[in-house]
Amino acid sequence: DAGITQSPRHKVTETGTPVTLRCHQTENHRYMYWYRQDPGHGLRLIHYSYGVKDTDKGEVSDGYSVSRSKTEDFLLTLESATSSQTSVYFCAISGRIAGAATDTQYFGPGTRLTVL
Amino acid sequence: EDQVTQSPEALRLQEGESSSLNCSYTVSGLRGLFWYRQDPGKGPEFLFTLYSAGEEKEKERLKATLTKKESFLHITAPKPEDSATYLCAVQPMDSSYKLIFGSGTRLLVRP
Repeated sequence: DAGITQSPRHKVTETGTPVTLRCHQTENHRYMYWYRQDPGHGLRLIHYSYGVKDTDKGEVSDGYSVSRSKTEDFLLTLESATSSQTSVYFCAISGRIAGAATDTQYFGPGTRLTVL
Repeated sequence: EDQVTQSPEALRLQEGESSSLNCSYTVSGLRGLFWYRQDPGKGPEFLFTLYSAGEEKEKERLKATLTKKESFLHITAPKPEDSATYLCAVQPMDSSYKLIFGSGTRLLVRP
């Protein structure tokens, strides 16, 4: 398994509270990603990072911010959680398999977030 | 617009009953097509990458194939442990990071 951990694994919070999810990798990969997974929508990219302090928006970035101060850590923050942000959040990292033409993304175990 | 559609949404098989899952895609140039397996409560697990039409990859009872418009994941003589959701994703040629995922096929293999 790719060395990716996410914390917390489960969280219940109330509308309007700030929430921070953490992703930690031990693979020293440059790229890190945050996705959300909802029934009927598949996995959708929220934000990604291409290096320390280098981040960019994905397709569903509204209401989310990210930070990456170290290669191994990528934080996702919900500044003021809403019920529409109830979801399962996955972190991913990408690296190149020898001989491959493109990077492969490897996923963490996920964080189930419920916003009441 | 780049799009990935997987069918069927759900599939029930008897142990040993071979079948195929479909992933149809529309993308402006394909850099790669990825298959993942996802077990309940876990993150997606990488299975295969395919790059060009005609390419095939195999792993145990699974074989993935690719044409210019779709990919198939063939499951030969499945076992109950093959039960999972199978996800397909495409990477457009103009991006080295972007993945567009389908909604997945839930496979249940009964003993």
